[in-house]
Amino acid sequence: GENVEQHPSTLSVQEGDSAVIKCTYSDSASNYFPWYKQELGKGPQLIIDIRSNVGEKKDQRIAVTLNKTAKHFSLHITETQPEDSAVYFCAASKNTGKLIFGQGTTLQVKP
Amino acid sequence: EPEVTQTPSHQVTQMGQEVILRCVPISNHLYFYWYRQILGQKVEFLVSFYNNEISEKSEIFDDQFSVERPDGSNFTLKIRSTKLEDSAMYFCASSPSGTGGGWEAFFGQGTRLTVV
Repeated sequence: GENVEQHPSTLSVQEGDSAVIKCTYSDSASNYFPWYKQELGKGPQLIIDIRSNVGEKKDQRIAVTLNKTAKHFSLHITETQPEDSAVYFCAASKNTGKLIFGQGTTLQVKP
Repeated sequence: EPEVTQTPSHQVTQMGQEVILRCVPISNHLYFYWYRQILGQKVEFLVSFYNNEISEKSEIFDDQFSVERPDGSNFTLKIRSTKLEDSAMYFCASSPSGTGGGWEAFFGQGTRLTVV
């Protein structure tokens, strides 16, 4: 069935360092891969997404890479700041609107 | 900036009671969704809704659940007879369109449902 695995479950970095979160998906028909940031008590907020026709997308300090052959996609955050601390979720979709989420990664950026 | 709004933020109900969770999606969006997140677990898809009908639902979305768009702005999730295991955060989301892109889903802040 459809599944998305996300690693690591927790990640602690020093301010200014980079953070990388990785996801794998099972359904090769998936073609849309968003990343969400969830702060305490709030709903998931879309931060970046990538579609299957591109391999990489960048928006300021965040970037996402996609390897369709390996069914991997990753979130890269550079020059991390304390306000980047949150839970990050990857997700995959087959253009039906239904999102299959990963388990989430709790990122802690230490000042 | 347009946003999805949900009410109430927290609902406490007795087991066996009916609850209705309410959502106002972003106004020009066409697809609407409900997800839930049990404490400490991943966000799970419940149902998607388009053109006044369910387009897809998960195995979680059994006969106890129903959705409705009673007017041009609200989107509701009803749980007919709540069980303890229905306790979770329920998120409403909406997307602008469903073809050729536009699948970006925007989430509300959630309703925490506690069944006692």
